Amino acid sequence: EAGVTQFPSHSVIEKGQTVTLRCDPISGHDNLYWYRRVMGKEIKFLLHFVKESKQDESGMPNNRFLAERTGGTYSTLKVQPAELEDSGVYFCASSQGGQGNTEAFFGQGTRLTVV
Amino acid sequence: AQSVAQPEDQVNVAEGNPLTVKCTYSVSGNPYLFWYVQYPNRGLQFLLKYITGDNLVKGSYGFEAEFNKSQTSFHLKKPSALVSDSALYFCAVSRLQGGKLIFGQGTELSVKP
Repeated sequence: EAGVTQFPSHSVIEKGQTVTLRCDPISGHDNLYWYRRVMGKEIKFLLHFVKESKQDESGMPNNRFLAERTGGTYSTLKVQPAELEDSGVYFCASSQGGQGNTEAFFGQGTRLTVV
Repeated sequence: AQSVAQPEDQVNVAEGNPLTVKCTYSVSGNPYLFWYVQYPNRGLQFLLKYITGDNLVKGSYGFEAEFNKSQTSFHLKKPSALVSDSALYFCAVSRLQGGKLIFGQGTELSVKP
């Protein structure tokens, strides 16, 4: 069974450019989560989809970040325009049931560097 | 507010010795507690979880963790460390089923032969 896959694995962009990260969850998983780890700090929650609906987007830092999950399958996270402080590793995770009850499966992450 | 603290940035142990990676949490209500591990160039892998029941939870690769409600701790342990256990370990808590995970800062475990 394929795990959670994320594209690209690395991205280096200039400040002010746009970047789109993609996450393909495990097939059949309704729950999809985005997290971010800034260098050396804790992994922080960004948002949670249940199928195509945003269940919780309390962690989205500002309106430069836009997440979508059309059709309830894969998800994209767009950063526009990117700022230096957006650099970090962006993780996607998926789970079948509620994440608190069923463990979440994480992707390898996308390392974003804004220069 | 929910929070998780991993007081040690790095833990060094000799192969064959027991290891402990510490975690304390703050959350209202009953917590759901997790440990994840990240090997180099890999994603986060689930190790174990505490939902309810027995305070001692056993997980993957011989790891276990003990839930201590009075001390609000969930320390990760292994009786005999392996060099291959060297990785970054994250403790996480959730207040609700299906809710977001709150992570600690991570602890780098280094096991030397």
